[in-house]
Amino acid sequence: AQTVTQSQPEMSVQEAETVTLSCTYDTSESDYYLFWYKQPPSRQMILVIRQEAYKQQNATENRFSVNFQKAAKSFSLKISDSQLGDAAMYFCAYRSEDGGSQGNLIFGKGTKLSVKP
Amino acid sequence: NAGVTQTPKFQVLKTGQSMTLQCAQDMNHEYMSWYRQDPGMGLRLIHYSVGAGITDQGEVPNGYNVSRSTTEDFPLRLLSAAPSQTSVYFCASSRTEAYEQYFGPGTRLTVT
Repeated sequence: AQTVTQSQPEMSVQEAETVTLSCTYDTSESDYYLFWYKQPPSRQMILVIRQEAYKQQNATENRFSVNFQKAAKSFSLKISDSQLGDAAMYFCAYRSEDGGSQGNLIFGKGTKLSVKP
Repeated sequence: NAGVTQTPKFQVLKTGQSMTLQCAQDMNHEYMSWYRQDPGMGLRLIHYSVGAGITDQGEVPNGYNVSRSTTEDFPLRLLSAAPSQTSVYFCASSRTEAYEQYFGPGTRLTVT
């Protein structure tokens, strides 16, 4: 079974600085999808970025980018020019390419990010 | 599009009571799922559906029941509420397994 590990329960960053959140996963599959979700205090789950495992190029969405290392099974999220609105819980998630139960998300336990003004 | 909607937003139950958490999506998504979120545990899958009339169990299905009579709706039933079911419940949907899941706003359930 696949597992997702986020080793940093809490992180802190100064406004306008850069922070990297770590995520590792365990799988025997070669094709899959990885996601970062943001959960602000409103508790709404918001998709930040997604990465297809077959793509070598790292995904980027504005100030958010990932460092996807397939061989190392690592999927870190970099937030540049941090803003107060980035403060939230961040969840790393894995999704198999297969259907059925494998088509659902497997989540890490989350990293709580604080942004200091 | 309203996306994924959930009702109610908050609910308090007494032990032994039953209730249904409602979930609906207007995006014609085939995949729908229910997750529960507990402190320090991330989100865990309760039940899921790959299309109308098809449901299956996830990681933590005990005490919950689901059905999917239409593409749009995927209600979650608590048969006899227990304090261990105190949690935040999220419904999610996606086109297929290849696409990201969209989440509803969640339901905070407290069982006393």
